[in-house]
Amino acid sequence: KAGVTQTPRYLIKTRGQQVTLSCSPISGHRSVSWYQQTPGQGLQFLFEYFSETQRNKGNFPGRFSGRQFSNSRSEMNVSTLELGDSALYLCASSSMPLAGGGHEQFFGPGTRLTVL
Amino acid sequence: DAKTTQPNSMESNEEEPVHLPCNHSTISGTDYIHWYRQLPSQGPEYVIHGLTSNVNNRMASLAIAEDRKSSTLILHRATLRDAAVYYCILRGALISNFGNEKLTFGTGTRLTIIP
Repeated sequence: KAGVTQTPRYLIKTRGQQVTLSCSPISGHRSVSWYQQTPGQGLQFLFEYFSETQRNKGNFPGRFSGRQFSNSRSEMNVSTLELGDSALYLCASSSMPLAGGGHEQFFGPGTRLTVL
Repeated sequence: DAKTTQPNSMESNEEEPVHLPCNHSTISGTDYIHWYRQLPSQGPEYVIHGLTSNVNNRMASLAIAEDRKSSTLILHRATLRDAAVYYCILRGALISNFGNEKLTFGTGTRLTIIP
């Protein structure tokens, strides 16, 4: 069974631009979560989608948005990029929603975003 | 919201057992305790999870205190490949949809294995 895939793996953008990242979950998984990882803040939760609906959202500004398609693939968009948005963005899939607690998440390799 | 507290770093000798502690004093009755680890240049990977009883799998063991306010991840015989950042998190019923600390992994414990 193929794992979680993320594209692109590396991305360089300039301030003010916008970016779209893509995540394909494990086949059959309907929960997709996004995380931002920076050296100082660790692994911060962005949002979770389950069956095309946003189920949970972390404490990030509205510039960060996402969506999920009927095939469970998910995209994350960041508009008006800032230098502080430079980070590793990780996607994780699960067979059930995060609420409930008893199911593991499978992470992708991440997309390394650099904002200049 | 329930959150976890872990030491920033730990060291252990190769081929010896490692005990990684985690405190979660405000855990609720429906919260599961999960452990993940992140090897260098990789995304996190699931290690183990439990609710009340101790759990064992091929990677590790999870010992949960009787009052569930703390837990310990046990690597029975550490190898160099176990050098990673280990995250202890809680998963359970969510009270609100915004900024919920249960959904953030934090900074974890960086485990160094000494050859």
